[in-house]
Amino acid sequence: GESVGLHLPTLSVQEGDNSIINCAYSNSASDYFIWYKQESGKGPQFIIDIRSNMDKRQGQRVTVLLNKTVKHLSLQIAATQPGDSAVYFCAESPFSGGYNKLIFGAGTRLAVHP
Amino acid sequence: EPEVTQTPSHQVTQMGQEVILRCVPISNHLYFYWYRQILGQKVEFLVSFYNNEISEKSEIFDDQFSVERPDGSNFTLKIRSTKLEDSAMYFCASKGQAEETQYFGPGTRLLVL
Repeated sequence: GESVGLHLPTLSVQEGDNSIINCAYSNSASDYFIWYKQESGKGPQFIIDIRSNMDKRQGQRVTVLLNKTVKHLSLQIAATQPGDSAVYFCAESPFSGGYNKLIFGAGTRLAVHP
Repeated sequence: EPEVTQTPSHQVTQMGQEVILRCVPISNHLYFYWYRQILGQKVEFLVSFYNNEISEKSEIFDDQFSVERPDGSNFTLKIRSTKLEDSAMYFCASKGQAEETQYFGPGTRLLVL
């Protein structure tokens, strides 16, 4: 789910479990999507991206799934580790001739417990 | 690994004062961006810059804001007369010509008193 302000939705998982973080995007014209991880006091760190002509893309321990029919994006993290604890943002980019401004979602806090 | 850097990391200023936030994008990147994040909220787009001119700006980016690439390495955001509501983290990002991914700097935390 999504929310704004200080009350970020939180996903709590046990170390070693798989995590799934969901995101609903707003613009049907968006053709590029990206997940960022943000640790406290730091800038967004790139995790994985996907273009609208794909529905799945895998990286190291992470998978992004895109469902354009319902405008839904998810991030799957395999074997979640304490170092994965952070706020995760999805972002969409409407095609704009290369300038690619990013529109961020509200974020989900992932808390990994040992 | 190349990275975006920003200075200062923290800036405290009085309302009405001018501030300049500085960024050094990844070298050979051609697209530059400023975003801001009010405490506890999502990251918001401010402006994109390419080929020495603004390519797009949001409604937040009013006449109090300006951007400049004064030399081959720096990219600056100036706020002419700061307001209390300008207090936020300001992130610079850059992107290469042949890629989609924007890489973010560590941010400048601006506090307007």
